[in-house]
Amino acid sequence: SQKIEQNSEALNIQEGKTATLTCNYTNYSPAYLQWYRQDPGRGPVFLLLIRENEKEKRKERLKVTFDTTLKQSLFHITASQPADSATYLCALGSGNTGKLIFGQGTTLQVKP
Amino acid sequence: SQTIHQWPATLVQPVGSPLSLECTVEGTSNPNLYWYRQAAGRGLQLLFYSVGIGQISSEVPQNLSASRPQDRQFILSSKKLLLSDSGFYLCAWSPRSSGEKLFFGSGTQLSVL
Repeated sequence: SQKIEQNSEALNIQEGKTATLTCNYTNYSPAYLQWYRQDPGRGPVFLLLIRENEKEKRKERLKVTFDTTLKQSLFHITASQPADSATYLCALGSGNTGKLIFGQGTTLQVKP
Repeated sequence: SQTIHQWPATLVQPVGSPLSLECTVEGTSNPNLYWYRQAAGRGLQLLFYSVGIGQISSEVPQNLSASRPQDRQFILSSKKLLLSDSGFYLCAWSPRSSGEKLFFGSGTQLSVL
C-alpha cells in the first residue's frame, strides 16, 4: 500500500539556522507533492506544490526539492524564526483534485 | 476573497448519539469539497469528496456519511457515534479549475465518550 514517512521526532533548531525536513514515500508515483503548515488546533495551510517534472521550487525563505528516483522531498526553511515553529505536513497527489495522501507531519521548534 | 467556515470548534458527544458537522465556503462557486479526519499523531485521512451538489464519494468504509445539499455547503453526519469516531475533523475546498491545492477550515475536535 502507499506509504508516506516523515520524521516523527521533533526538530529543534536555533533561530537563524536552516531547517530541513524530509518526506519519503513508497509504492506510489505522484504527479505532485505539497507541503502544508499546521499550527496546534488549526487546519493546515498550503505552502508549496512541486510537480514530478520539477526538481526544485522556492518561495521566499522556503525551498522544496523533489527526487522521484529516490522517492523523497526535502523542505528547507532558511533563516528560521521562532514564528516558523509548527508542524509541517507532506502530501502526495496525482489528479486534478485535493484527494491527497498525507504524512503524519514533523514538528519544528525554532528557539530564539 | 474565499473563506471557509466550519463549526463547531469543539464537540463532546456520548457514544450512540448523532452527529452533524457543517462547513460552508464563501467567495467561490462550484468548489470541490472534502472531509478529512486527523487522529492524534497521524496523518490526515480523506473521508469524503464531492465535486457537486448531491455527488459524494466515500473513501473509506465507516460509520459516517456526508451530504452536499447546496453548492457551497458540506455536512458530515452520523446516526450513532462510536468511540473510534473521535478525532479532529477538517473540511476543505479546492478550486474546480486547479483542484490540487486544499484550503482547510479551522477544524472540529470531536470527543466521543
